[in-house]
Amino acid sequence: EAGVAQSPRYKIIEKRQSVAFWCNPISGHATLYWYQQILGQGPKLLIQFQNNGVVDDSQLPKDRFSAERLKGVDSTLKIQPAKLEDSAVYLCASSLDPSAIYIDEQFFGPGTRLTVL
Amino acid sequence: AQKVTQAQTEISVVEKEDVTLDCVYETRDTTYYLFWYKQPPSGELVFLIRRNSFDEQNEISGRYSWNFQKSTSSFNFTITASQVVDSAVYFCALSEAGTNAGKSTFGDGTTLTVKP
Repeated sequence: EAGVAQSPRYKIIEKRQSVAFWCNPISGHATLYWYQQILGQGPKLLIQFQNNGVVDDSQLPKDRFSAERLKGVDSTLKIQPAKLEDSAVYLCASSLDPSAIYIDEQFFGPGTRLTVL
Repeated sequence: AQKVTQAQTEISVVEKEDVTLDCVYETRDTTYYLFWYKQPPSGELVFLIRRNSFDEQNEISGRYSWNFQKSTSSFNFTITASQVVDSAVYFCALSEAGTNAGKSTFGDGTTLTVKP
């Protein structure tokens, strides 16, 4: 079974530039998550999709970050314009459709390491 | 608000020693799930175990064991007879059930180094 795919693996940009990350979840997984992991910290949830709807985006800095999941499969996370503090690893994860009483584990991609200069 | 605290930032042991990684959580929910993930140097988080809030049975899987105590809001992870391959960052996570099912809060991780 193919895992969660992410691209690019590495990206270096200047501050105020734009950048986009792509994620392809495991086939059949209804839920997709984007996390930001700053060096030395745990993953912080940015946005959670269930199919193509947003479940939670309370921690997404909406003035500069946007995400979409067209057709309930692939997803793109964009930063525009980037700031120095956005330097981090951006992780995508997917899981089966969680219910109100049962939560499956998440499967993570390899991440995209972003450096903002 | 959910919170997960992993007070041990770094632990270093010698191979074959036992080691326990602590995890303390805060939540107002009565139904929730707790997870442990391993992040090896390659970077990809790997699932280790899931526990729901109604199941306080401890679990053993090979050299790994988990102790869930609701009374102290703790979900600790023990590695018996540690090996060099156990060196990684270990994360404890709390996931909501209910309306925001799946929404997860991670601790900041414990870096385990096992020396030969």
